[in-house]
Amino acid sequence: GAGVSQSPSNKVTEKGKDVELRCDPISGHTALYWYRQSLGQGLEFLIYFQGNSAPDKSGLPSDRFSAERTGGSVSTLTIQRTQQEDSAVYLCASRQRGYNEQFFGPGTRLTVL
Amino acid sequence: AQSVAQPEDQVNVAEGNPLTVKCTYSVSGNPYLFWYVQYPNRGLQFLLKYITGDNLVKGSYGFEAEFNKSQTSFHLKKPSALVSDSALYFCAVRDNSNYQLIWGAGTKLIIKP
Repeated sequence: GAGVSQSPSNKVTEKGKDVELRCDPISGHTALYWYRQSLGQGLEFLIYFQGNSAPDKSGLPSDRFSAERTGGSVSTLTIQRTQQEDSAVYLCASRQRGYNEQFFGPGTRLTVL
Repeated sequence: AQSVAQPEDQVNVAEGNPLTVKCTYSVSGNPYLFWYVQYPNRGLQFLLKYITGDNLVKGSYGFEAEFNKSQTSFHLKKPSALVSDSALYFCAVRDNSNYQLIWGAGTKLIIKP
C-alpha cells in the first residue's frame, strides 16, 4: 500500500514569507508526527497528533510554527514569517495504533533565502 | 532521564568486513528499541526492533541487532558490509511515559570499496 507522502518535496521561500507543508499519512494510522532535521543531523521532534486527542506541541520551537490535522488524516505544518534558521528538512511520520514503529515520508526540504 | 546515545558520529568500514554501529540507552521500565536507516535525500526507513524475546533481532537488508540488558546496549551489526549500506543510522528507544520515540543523534556509516 501507499506510504507516507509529503508535499512539496522542495520549497524555496524568502525570509518573512509563510509556508505550508503537507503530510498524508498511511491510511488507518492514527498517530502522526512532525520532525525537523537539519543537514545531516538528528531528528528534532516538533508535534504529535493521536486520534482526537489534543496534540502534543511541546517540540514547536516558536509561536511561528503551528500544525493542524484535519479529519484525523492529512496534516499541515505552517511556518509563519520564515527565518533563515528554519531551513531544514521537515519529516512527517505516521504510526498505527497499538504498534511502536513510525513510518516516515520522504520529507520536505525547506530553504529560506 | 530517558535517553539514547550513539557515541560515534561516523563509522568507516571496508566492503566485505563486519560492521557495528553502537547504541546505548537509558529508559524507565522495559526497553522498546529501534533502528532506522536514512539514505541520502530520503526519509527514514525502519530496519528492526526489539520488544521482547530473543536478544538477537534480525531485520531488513541483512542487518541484525543485539540487545544487552546489563550493558543497556542495542548495537546494530552486519556480517559483511556493502557499499550500498552507506547511510545515516538512527537508534531510538520508546519513552514509556508517553510512548514517544527518543532518538539518537545518528551515526554516518561509510563503506569503502
